[in-house]
Amino acid sequence: DIQMTQSPSSLSASVGDRVTITCRASQSISSYLNWYQQKPGKAPKLLIYAASSLQSGVPSRFSGSGSGTDFTLTISSLQPEDFATYYCQQSYSTPIFTFGPGTKVDIK
Amino acid sequence: QVQLQESGPGLVKPSQTLSLTCTVSGGSISSGSYYWSWIRQPAGKGLEWIGRIYTSGSTNYNPSLKSRVTISVDTSKNQFSLKLSSVTAADTAVYYCARDSMISADAFDIWGQGTMVTVSS
Repeated sequence: DIQMTQSPSSLSASVGDRVTITCRASQSISSYLNWYQQKPGKAPKLLIYAASSLQSGVPSRFSGSGSGTDFTLTISSLQPEDFATYYCQQSYSTPIFTFGPGTKVDIK
Repeated sequence: QVQLQESGPGLVKPSQTLSLTCTVSGGSISSGSYYWSWIRQPAGKGLEWIGRIYTSGSTNYNPSLKSRVTISVDTSKNQFSLKLSSVTAADTAVYYCARDSMISADAFDIWGQGTMVTVSS
């Protein structure tokens, strides 16, 4: 099974900060990595698919990079509505999918 | 605009079968580029993929749940369903249905709002 880890598990940041979240796979997953944002009491929302493709309607301050085992989600200038938990998900081992444990971004 | 909506009992007794339905609106469940998945999230915890179905009825399940899970599709009603048997308290979670887009690296691009299911006597 492919295991996903994320770091940090939580972070505190201020509006306007540049934020980077890391996701690591236990084996190479090429670019089959997706990122989601989840706010309390809400369903996750797709932000990035295939490691670096921005989902339609998602602000351009979100970007993704990486391939193989190491991936990053970057928020270039954190906005108040970006305080949430972020999950990565691998789709390399389709049809078995696994998510990372999440990174909570809160207000400093 | 495709939307998904989960429905079903919010309370299930231990050892019984959890049954949920996801209704797809604004588009056809028979669209060729998508699978239809179930995902769950225990309170305060992460996301667990349960399984998925294609419009043809072909299914894939998480190996950790495979022995207890059945996913089915009713194209005439534009719905797909989840059955999870022999439930325990560990199955208490918010259950989401989601669209799995094969043209977007199998990302889950549309989600239902989620439904809370509690397993308790």
